[in-house]
Amino acid sequence: RKEVEQDPGPFNVPEGATVAFNCTYSNSASQSFFWYRQDCRKEPKLLMSVYSSGNEDGRFTAQLNRASQYISLLIRDSKLSDSATYLCVVNEGTGGFKTIFGAGTRLFVKA
Amino acid sequence: ETGVTQTPRHLVMGMTNKKSLKCEQHLGHNAMYWYKQSAKKPLELMFVYNFKEQTENNSVPSRFSPECPNSSHLFLHLHTLQPEDSALYLCASTSTDRTYEQYFGPGTRLTVT
Repeated sequence: RKEVEQDPGPFNVPEGATVAFNCTYSNSASQSFFWYRQDCRKEPKLLMSVYSSGNEDGRFTAQLNRASQYISLLIRDSKLSDSATYLCVVNEGTGGFKTIFGAGTRLFVKA
Repeated sequence: ETGVTQTPRHLVMGMTNKKSLKCEQHLGHNAMYWYKQSAKKPLELMFVYNFKEQTENNSVPSRFSPECPNSSHLFLHLHTLQPEDSALYLCASTSTDRTYEQYFGPGTRLTVT
């Protein structure tokens, strides 16, 4: 089983659609969780941290279910500029430094 | 954005060459990371330094040798690389204030011939 597993994608959606990304992680001791986006041939950029209570930032909502070891990202009213690869990221261990990236899910938003 | 810078941006080297990648962060962070991103593979953590001390070495071959002289600078020394080492090498930094949110540099695209 992969340490961090994401939907394989790609997702092709029209502008204005709502799209959901799912992620599962294998280590129950994992401590911190994030979503990053990566544009083609660019570095990953932090989109949002994921908190146990769930959190929202504009059109983006992240959820964490520790019992199921599951993380989600919801994008509402998707824009063309949302087209990118979305990476689920998990920090493990007491030090928090061992970082595992999912393979990413590619999103294409079309006009 | 110039929070984390990396040089060079592109590097072509032969298998017998020795080269170094440099990373500098201007964010006041105390931890720095090296990652490798190969085509169609997830980012792979290579090394982590916290306050100049190495805290993670993810079974990286010895032909990759990291150096962290201070919390703002990180180097990756390369020697006798193989063609399969061609990849994008990304540096990141974080503040260990329990958020561990990482900020990445633009990467060095390395080609080993």
